[in-house]
Amino acid sequence: DVKVTQSSRYLVKRTGEKVFLECVQDMDHENMFWYRQDPGLGLRLIYFSYDVKMKEKGDIPEGYSVSREKKERFSLILESASTNQTSMYLCASRPRRQGEERESKNIQYFGAGTRLSVL
Amino acid sequence: AQKVTQAQTEISVVEKEDVTLDCVYETRDTTYYLFWYKQPPSGELVFLIRRNSFDEQNEISGRYSWNFQKSTSSFNFTITASQVVDSAVYFCALSAIIQGAQKLVFGQGTRLTINP
Repeated sequence: DVKVTQSSRYLVKRTGEKVFLECVQDMDHENMFWYRQDPGLGLRLIYFSYDVKMKEKGDIPEGYSVSREKKERFSLILESASTNQTSMYLCASRPRRQGEERESKNIQYFGAGTRLSVL
Repeated sequence: AQKVTQAQTEISVVEKEDVTLDCVYETRDTTYYLFWYKQPPSGELVFLIRRNSFDEQNEISGRYSWNFQKSTSSFNFTITASQVVDSAVYFCALSAIIQGAQKLVFGQGTRLTINP
């Protein structure tokens, strides 16, 4: 079974703190993604990674950074948390694109989410 | 630009009613994929279906069915004889090539409540 695990379900942090959100997948997937989910806005892509040590900005990268030192782990970092970063954060993973338009491997699998409150 | 619109923010029905969730998309790609995900109260997005742009056949899986109409850029989802366990937020998504990378573009989500 596919498994994407996010280390925390709920986090409460203070403004200015450095926050780490961890995501681990056990499917040997190359691609990993971080989204934030806000009411009325759906899911928006923050960062993604094609492979170890590779990262690309998504649609809303400002205020965030990421780290991918090992294939199975993708960390989202809030360098100095702010109240407007209060949100639900979702991690996803997917196998590498390999002529994927003809294959059934471009499905993203999601973790259960981390609900972050910044006070 | 790629965009997905789910115009229904919230839907509430009584158990056993049929319900349809609308999804309209915009893309200039000729090859693309459409998805539906379910997010129950536990939070995890659960994959329901993927449909590619070459295949306009409707699909049925138990009480779930999907109607893909390329002419109207719609990919609607119908639950027949709804049950309380169907209560969740449902997301429609479009796979798109943006800046050379394959990404998912999500709609705003529809919160479905099935009342006993």
